[in-house]
Amino acid sequence: AQSVTQLDSQVPVFEEAPVELRCNYSSSVSVYLFWYVQYPNQGLQLLLKYLSGSTLVESINGFEAEFNKSQTSFHLRKPSVHISDTAEYFCAVSEVASGSRLTFGEGTQLTVNP
Amino acid sequence: DAGVIQSPRHEVTEMGQEVTLRCKPISGHNSLFWYRQTMMRGLELLIYFNNNVPIDDSGMPEDRFSAKMPNASFSTLKIQPSEPRDSAVYFCASSLKGGKLYGYTFGSGTRLTVV
Repeated sequence: AQSVTQLDSQVPVFEEAPVELRCNYSSSVSVYLFWYVQYPNQGLQLLLKYLSGSTLVESINGFEAEFNKSQTSFHLRKPSVHISDTAEYFCAVSEVASGSRLTFGEGTQLTVNP
Repeated sequence: DAGVIQSPRHEVTEMGQEVTLRCKPISGHNSLFWYRQTMMRGLELLIYFNNNVPIDDSGMPEDRFSAKMPNASFSTLKIQPSEPRDSAVYFCASSLKGGKLYGYTFGSGTRLTVV
């Protein structure tokens, strides 16, 4: 079975600073990887995903994540954050060969301060 | 598409009462998931359905919880009797072909408070 660990529960940063939200996964088989974002009082929204091909994937609002198979990581980065990026971010994994379900990490609360 | 629709958005009920949460998935999606989110335990998968059939209900806390999907466009999660520890935000999500390729689309959630 797969599992996901998000290494930081809270990440406070100042506006326009770079940020990295860390995610490590564990699985004995090939996986797909996802990042979701949850704004206050809303459901989770898909931010970006890695299925195959280029290990660097990008979202439309400037986030990117890199799949590193050797380190079993899928860290999320943004070179310059905005106040509006304040939200909780969830990393998730699913196995390529079997099953339907995503396994989510515990979440990382990103707070961007002025 | 209106997305995944959950009702009600907020529910306050007294301990011992029956609570029914409702979900309308995106048309054409064939997988549906119920999650519970609390500060203490984060996001927990309660149950999921493929083609209206329950596949894995191992996350359902106890017999007080039950879920049904009578057709492709509707699902319910029922708690009877409710207890204060059931207070949480309950999310429904749907996906195409199980979600492992396309991810899930989440509803806005139902915030349940049991007093």
